[in-house]
Amino acid sequence: EVQLVESGGGLVKPGGSLRLSCAASGFTFSSYTMNWVRQAPGKGLEWVSSLSRNSDYIHYADSVKGRFTISRDNAKNSLYLQMNSLRAEDTAVYYCAREGPRDSNGLYYPLGYWGQGSLVTVSS
Amino acid sequence: EIVMTQSPATLSVSPGERATLSCRASQSVSNLAWYQQKRGLAPRLLIYGAATRATDIPARFSGSGSGTEFSLTISSLQSEDFAVYYCQQYNNWPPTFGQGTKVEIK
Repeated sequence: EVQLVESGGGLVKPGGSLRLSCAASGFTFSSYTMNWVRQAPGKGLEWVSSLSRNSDYIHYADSVKGRFTISRDNAKNSLYLQMNSLRAEDTAVYYCAREGPRDSNGLYYPLGYWGQGSLVTVSS
Repeated sequence: EIVMTQSPATLSVSPGERATLSCRASQSVSNLAWYQQKRGLAPRLLIYGAATRATDIPARFSGSGSGTEFSLTISSLQSEDFAVYYCQQYNNWPPTFGQGTKVEIK
């Protein structure tokens, strides 16, 4: 059974930093692109960042580019999100998500499995 | 960035009835997914490639459409289907979601 468990969320002041972790199990972690998606309270879903299985392809949403860094440790089956210069608008539940079935070209994928989420609150 | 627009925002349906949710893309996409999110839980993948059901998704869920117009149909609503549904294009970076359609009990 695929399991993704996020941790590291909490309350942080504007301008502060936080590091989220996602522990993966039930699949070969090193074979899949991993993602972070967030959801502000009462709002919809926003994709944040993606990291390919060998860390050679990285994408960020414009809203977090230059402030957030995605990384992974395949030996530890773990995904990370380092968040710096946090703002009030970064307040959200952050989900770790694994790629789902790729399209016929093998380039694009939906988000097939999601963790339970970790709440990040940025407030003074 | 491709903008995804879902309609209606809220759909009131009686158990056993059929529900049809719409999703429109601001430009043509070929990779479209639908997710279900129940209150307090993570989203769950229902449909990918516009029309393929994900693993363990009941046959009452079906997706259709192409280009810029897509739909999700729930043929006979069960109590566990009342939730928020999101469409997502994953054709272009960044992947983008619609704002969601809430399916509520009538």
